[in-house]
Amino acid sequence: GPKVLQIPSHQIIDMGQMVTLNCDPVSNHLYFYWYKQILGQQMEFLVNFYNGKVMEKSKLFKDQFSVERPDGSYFTLKIQPTALEDSAVYFCASSFDRGDTQYFGPGTRLLVL
Amino acid sequence: GQQVQQSPASLVLQEGENAELQCNFSTSLNSMQWFYQRPGGSLVSLFYNPSGTKHSGRLTSTTVIKERRSSLHISSSQTTDSGTYLCALKLNSNNRIFFGDGTQLVVKP
Repeated sequence: GPKVLQIPSHQIIDMGQMVTLNCDPVSNHLYFYWYKQILGQQMEFLVNFYNGKVMEKSKLFKDQFSVERPDGSYFTLKIQPTALEDSAVYFCASSFDRGDTQYFGPGTRLLVL
Repeated sequence: GQQVQQSPASLVLQEGENAELQCNFSTSLNSMQWFYQRPGGSLVSLFYNPSGTKHSGRLTSTTVIKERRSSLHISSSQTTDSGTYLCALKLNSNNRIFFGDGTQLVVKP
């Protein structure tokens, strides 16, 4: 079936540094999402993105977070600066249309020291 | 409030036994998905099942919308089935997915 790729699979950085998480969505999909799962906790929605704009974001999507998809390349989540509580697994998803099923990537495990 | 409730929270089986995982939701849904999360954290989509029954190998998913529940049945469990099973629903009203807390399944040899 359709595959969403995420790069890197793991990232370790020092608190205060910037990190960019990359998502390669399904090629013809138009809607993109980020979800966050802290170890041992529920997976939660961060943001969705369509036509170059953030459509909806949750309270977890702090001011230090930003998303973009320049020129149809990777869909990225940037955190600047990072904080200890940003340590989590971040999942990217994409869908063709607003109501369609979302296909998930395998996740990026981020550890902020 | 919690949109999605999963039960049981954890389940321990002997290899070969069957498992029944439940997901109850508190509002009308647009779609229901079941995921398997490997011990390392990566996510695998098992079923996209907004209603009715779907089969895939030893797995069966049944969603009954008017009863606001979905179940995942694993027959003849294997040790490799161990991991966390998540159900997620997408509401008619918006475009985000709400995940349950998950069921941790351990299958012993």
